[in-house]
Order: sequence, then C-alpha cells, then structure tokens
Amino acid sequence: EAQVTQNPRYLITVTGKKLTVTCSQNMNHEYMSWYRQDPGLGLRQIYYSMNVEVTDKGDVPEGYKVSRKEKRNFPLILESPSPNQTSLYFCASSLWRQDPTDTQYFGPGTRLTVL
Amino acid sequence: GENVEQHPSTLSVQEGDSAVIKCTYSDSASNYFPWYKQELGKGPQLIIDIRSNVGEKKDQRIAVTLNKTAKHFSLHITETQPEDSAVYFCAAGYGYSTLTFGKGTMLLVSP
Repeated sequence: EAQVTQNPRYLITVTGKKLTVTCSQNMNHEYMSWYRQDPGLGLRQIYYSMNVEVTDKGDVPEGYKVSRKEKRNFPLILESPSPNQTSLYFCASSLWRQDPTDTQYFGPGTRLTVL
Repeated sequence: GENVEQHPSTLSVQEGDSAVIKCTYSDSASNYFPWYKQELGKGPQLIIDIRSNVGEKKDQRIAVTLNKTAKHFSLHITETQPEDSAVYFCAAGYGYSTLTFGKGTMLLVSP
C-alpha cells in the first residue's frame, strides 16, 4: 500500500532532550516536507526537500533540523525541544517530477508534547 | 509573502444542504490552489485543486471556483452527507515549496 509513515505517533518529552521523528514513504517520491499544525494557525511548513541531499527552509524552521540521506526517509530532528514546539507534526511527500503541483500525500501525524 | 484567509471557521449544515467555504489570497503570483480534507486523527488529504488558468473545476459533489481578479477561491460541496464532516483547508502558492494554508474550516453535517 502506498503510504507515508511517521514514528512515533505520540511523544511526550521534556525541554532540552533531543528527539527525532521519522518519516518514510514507499512511493519513490522526490519531494518531501514537514509541517506543524497548531490550533488557529493551520498548517505551516518547517522544511522541505526536493531530492536526496537537497533541503530548504520553510516558513517556520527555527529549532528544527532535517536530513535527506535516502530518497524514502526524511527525519525531523529537534536538538533541544522547547514547550513552544508542542504541536501536531505532519510529513508529506509528492512525486515532483515535471509538475510541482503533483498530489501531496500526508502522513498520519505525530503529536508532540514538550514539558 | 502569501497570506491566505479562510472563512468561516466553523460551518454547520443539515444533510443534503450545500456548503460553501471561501478563501482569499494576497500574492498575485500564486497559481495553484488545492483543497484538503482532514478527518479526525488523520493527515490532510487532497480532495480537489485548481490552477490559475481555469475558473471552475468539478468532481462529483465537489467543485472549486477561482476568481483571479478578486484573488479569491471557493469550495462548494453539494448534497452534503455526514461523512463530509471534517476540517477543510485551502491553500495557495506556486508549487509545494511555497504553499500557504488557510486556518481551516470545521464542517459539521447533521443527519
């Protein structure tokens, strides 16, 4: 089944403790991105990647890192999480070949709470 | 940068009625306008999109209209059903690297 998977789905952690949220897609998509969703603010893009080893900042990149060493994986790293990073996080991917408006598939979400 | 405003924030309709959600955008360079449906506990799912060279697009009970001059676009759902209940997001931009999302509309369809 074609899908985007994220792990973990739920995470409660404490301020300053490094964490990684994994994202994997099995559709051979070139484009992957991370969003955070907060009440009243909608979806905001954190980082995106157009291909392996190519990443760029979205609208709210502060406090986050990403890497794209393999085409299928795009982990989101919080080196020193803070309470304002408590949010619902979504990974997404799309084919991106010749048409940058290819359908974007979202993962199921990771609910992160930083105490 | 792009700014997308979405109204209303909540919308309650009776089953069988129509529902309309409206969005405005600020950047005249935007040329791609997707709509997403997010059900409880799931990620957003693309339901329909429209590009700037088209004024209207329909897919069964769902339609989207675009007015580039006025910089607004709307989602129309006809003959609503309880399973249409979800949060709907509009977005505007140029490809996925620059998509800006609206704040969402919670649609409640009562049987």
